[in-house]
Order: sequence, then C-alpha cells, then structure tokens
Amino acid sequence: DSGVTQTPKHLITATGQRVTLRCSPRSGDLSVYWYQQSLDQGLQFLIQYYNGEERAKGNILERFSAQQFPDLHSELNLSSLELGDSALYFCASSALAGGQGEQFFGPGTRLTVL
Amino acid sequence: AQKITQTQPGMFVQEKEAVTLDCTYDTSDQSYGLFWYKQPSSGEMIFLIYQGSYDEQNATEGRYSLNFQKARKSANLVISASQLGDSAMYFCAMRPAGNNRKLIWGLGTSLAVNP
Repeated sequence: DSGVTQTPKHLITATGQRVTLRCSPRSGDLSVYWYQQSLDQGLQFLIQYYNGEERAKGNILERFSAQQFPDLHSELNLSSLELGDSALYFCASSALAGGQGEQFFGPGTRLTVL
Repeated sequence: AQKITQTQPGMFVQEKEAVTLDCTYDTSDQSYGLFWYKQPSSGEMIFLIYQGSYDEQNATEGRYSLNFQKARKSANLVISASQLGDSAMYFCAMRPAGNNRKLIWGLGTSLAVNP
C-alpha cells in the first residue's frame, strides 16, 4: 500500500458526460501528479500541483482540469468525454523537498467511456 | 530532448534465473535521477529502485539492482532469482534537473516469468 488513495476505482460513463476523479496523497506529501495510461500511448503525464498551486503541465486536454485543495487532496475533472478518454488514470504524490523524489502511485481509476 | 528508451517490448525468463531489462536515457542535465517501477496486471504502479546521477555505487533493493553506466547513459534493471510474481510491466523513468518532479517515462517492458 503506497498510502495514496484514489476514488472511484472504476467508472463507466457515456460520451459527452463529465466525471470527477479524486486523489488523496500520502501523509506529508505536498505534490500531486496526474497521469493517464492508455494502451496505445503508454503513461502520459497530465499535470502537477504543489501545495495548492499548479507546478507543471503535460499533455492535458482543455476538456480536462484539476485542482488541489487546502487539505492537499486533488481532483481531476474530465468533461465532454470521448471514447478515446477511456484509460487508467493515476494519481501520484511526492515530497518535493528532500528525499529521492520518487513518486508513489495510487491504485488508479479505470475510466470506461461508452 | 530528454527521453527514455526501453527497447524490449517483451521479455521471458525462467523462474529462479536472473534477467536484465534495458533502459537508456537522453539528457544534457548533470543532475538527474533514474527510477524503475513495476506494474502488475492488477494495475498499480510500484516503486522499485532509484539511482541518482552522482551516486557512485549501483543501487540495490533486495533482488533488484540497477546497473548504472553513466557514460553510456544506461540504467538497466537486474532482477535476480526471478519469481512468478515478477511477471509484470516494468517502466524506467527519469527525473530531470530542476525543482519540479515531473518524470519522463519509457514505454515499458513486459516481463513474463515461466515456471
């Protein structure tokens, strides 16, 4: 158990809908990262937050948005869903200062868009 | 451009034998970190091992060791005494220099351990 929690574990929805994925980082970690893993594109970095502020942005679509709240949990919002958005979405956390910088991953949310 | 290359899409190994998974990286940074993660069929990503660019000795964690060859820009993962539970996808990743911890990922190697 990495200490990172993600809910829900599975999500099935229809095209055009909007969903919210939730992540709680490990205790003490200030950074949260979101990744998308699909069969054809591998692991894609989406966005990073550090202590409530956006720190780095990757291949995140405009239909997607995220935020990190004062209690450090984070939410990834996916809207106007398309079939191609079906993927495994990971949240990871790390302590930005000190340590080796390794990221600890949550169990993932498997999103299926029908 | 910074990049991680894993040239082996799939590998097979007999139980109890050792296996090496290849990873090469491309960076002009002097300070960087290299990671290996394991992803079993259940989907979770499990941190295995870390090597810093200034570490003089190869990292080891139990049955995992990292064969770090800086001049060749390679960071191969060696798994000794393979077990059936080692069957999984293995990802190599690099943390470039700088304050953010955005990792650059390879496409992974699928390892199958045969009984």
